[in-house]
Amino acid sequence: DGGITQSPKYLFRKEGQNVTLSCEQNLNHDAMYWYRQDPGQGLRLIYYSQIVNDFQKGDIAEGYSVSREKKESFPLTVTSAQKNPTAFYLCASSSDRDTYNEQFFGPGTRLTVL
Amino acid sequence: AQSVAQPEDQVNVAEGNPLTVKCTYSVSGNPYLFWYVQYPNRGLQFLLKYITGDNLVKGSYGFEAEFNKSQTSFHLKKPSALVSDSALYFCAEARRGANNLFFGTGTRLTVIP
Repeated sequence: DGGITQSPKYLFRKEGQNVTLSCEQNLNHDAMYWYRQDPGQGLRLIYYSQIVNDFQKGDIAEGYSVSREKKESFPLTVTSAQKNPTAFYLCASSSDRDTYNEQFFGPGTRLTVL
Repeated sequence: AQSVAQPEDQVNVAEGNPLTVKCTYSVSGNPYLFWYVQYPNRGLQFLLKYITGDNLVKGSYGFEAEFNKSQTSFHLKKPSALVSDSALYFCAEARRGANNLFFGTGTRLTVIP
């Protein structure tokens, strides 16, 4: 999974709680991404960041928040406003903003709402 | 709107036979196209990409893909399938100058011993 770590691997949340998923990369990549994966729907982009202290909403940002205070870290917070948070969450990075560069993915965090 | 289509949810092939996983794209002009593979409970691994140039792209693990502009397709192929190729395969596209990838819904490949 190429220099990107995600923690925890499994996460259980009670309804109404906020949780934060960790993503760290040691590839010196500028761009980082968060995706959500649901069965039969492929990957959908939540947020992305092309540079420190800057990030943009993706296709399904509602109920999520991110920060990019350091180049190597891009944590994702799943808030209580996210109505259906149970999913597999994948973090990725690429060397720069140009999308001809392949993205490197972490191993994922599986979030389950109890 | 940009999108890629993977028309088959499931592909079964016998070990040793050639395999094809289909992908069509809809971006006009010259898209960037990618194939990724996902093993159970793991992240995605990059296999290959088409940016420009030769329409036949060779990638990891003996996979290749052919960019066909007239058919707007980018099918993934391998001459001889291995049981270890069994996984979920995703096609993705990006428009030049855009900020992110658009993924297909995935095709589950099962190689039967």
